[in-house]
Amino acid sequence: RKEVEQDPGPFNVPEGATVAFNCTYSNSASQSFFWYRQDCRKEPKLLMSVYSSGNEDGRFTAQLNRASQYISLLIRDSKLSDSATYLCVVNAKAGTALIFGKGTTLSVSS
Amino acid sequence: NAGVMQNPRHLVRRRGQEARLRCSPMKGHSHVYWYRQLPEEGLKFMVYLQKENIIDESGMPKERFSAEFPKEGPSILRIQQVVRGDSAAYFCASSPVQASSNQPQHFGDGTRLSIL
Repeated sequence: RKEVEQDPGPFNVPEGATVAFNCTYSNSASQSFFWYRQDCRKEPKLLMSVYSSGNEDGRFTAQLNRASQYISLLIRDSKLSDSATYLCVVNAKAGTALIFGKGTTLSVSS
Repeated sequence: NAGVMQNPRHLVRRRGQEARLRCSPMKGHSHVYWYRQLPEEGLKFMVYLQKENIIDESGMPKERFSAEFPKEGPSILRIQQVVRGDSAAYFCASSPVQASSNQPQHFGDGTRLSIL
């Protein structure tokens, strides 16, 4: 089983759509969770950290289910500029390497 | 406040040559991480360094690859006797302390290494 698994997509949605990405991780001892965004294989940019209580940043909502080892990202009211690859990232403990999923590709069209 | 600076942005080498990739962390950051992204693959961890110390090199290939983060100057990822399979994007990330949810890693623009 891969350490971090994501549906690669692509997800093709119209502007204004709501889209959800899922991710599972294998290490139950993982402590930190993130969603990063990567455009055209440029550098990954932090989108948001994911907390057990769930957290929201504008149109983006992240959820964590530790029991199921499952992370999600919900994007509401999709914009053209949301088109990118979304990377699910897990950290076993502070100061250790980030473990990346291969990413889910989103394409938003007008 | 400059971000993580990597250079060169693009590097072309012939098989058998050496490649040196540089990374200057964000100001105030003393922890550096190197990752590699092969074509059509996700990012893979290579090595974690603090000033003058290698903390975790579990992702480094056993041969030809080395990394350092001297007391003064940037972190260097060095690849000796490069082969075609080394062609990839190499990303550096930094954090001020041990990276966590509250102190996430921030990435540089990367170096695209192409081996002829």
